[in-house]
Amino acid sequence: AQRVTQPEKLLSVFKGAPVELKCNYSYSGSPELFWYVQYSRQRLQLLLRHISRESIKGFTADLNKGETSFHLKKPFAQEEDSAMYYCALGGFSSGSARQLTFGSGTQLTVLP
Amino acid sequence: NAGVTQTPKFQVLKTGQSMTLQCAQDMNHNSMYWYRQDPGMGLRLIYYSASEGTTDKGEVPNGYNVSRLNKREFSLRLESAAPSQTSVYFCASSERFGGNQPQHFGDGTRLSIL
Repeated sequence: AQRVTQPEKLLSVFKGAPVELKCNYSYSGSPELFWYVQYSRQRLQLLLRHISRESIKGFTADLNKGETSFHLKKPFAQEEDSAMYYCALGGFSSGSARQLTFGSGTQLTVLP
Repeated sequence: NAGVTQTPKFQVLKTGQSMTLQCAQDMNHNSMYWYRQDPGMGLRLIYYSASEGTTDKGEVPNGYNVSRLNKREFSLRLESAAPSQTSVYFCASSERFGGNQPQHFGDGTRLSIL
């Protein structure tokens, strides 16, 4: 069974401090990992995906297959980063496409 | 650029009432999904439609039915609402089915069952 664990429900950091949102997964196939973000009063939107290997709004995430992790990092947090962040797992298993499984989310608050 | 549109945005029902949540996308996507979002539990997949004419159960399908009316529209029906179905419901779509496909979400429907 595929599973996504986000151990922190709430995370607070001060503006300018580094931030890391943790995501661990269990999956038997070839995983695809995503981070989605939901800003206050906005719809859920894709932040980044591991296959793109890009930095969005200063955030990066590296897939570590050995540790089965996909932590989201930003070196200097900004107040506008305050939002709910969801890690999501998809991919393929036994040759079949799998639907996304979402973690329970981490509410990030960046304090002034 | 509407993307995924959900109606209504809010609804209050009494236990036992029925209701249909509507979802439409204008991106010509093949796949559509219904999720529910509950505190501390993230998003859980209720039903999905990999392509027009097909629907399949997700993680929490009990108490719900869906209809893929056409390529654009995917509705979710509660036949006999229960308080446990109080939640925020999100519709999403993707170009194709598969866990490597980014999904586009609607604004959500906040549903309360009394």
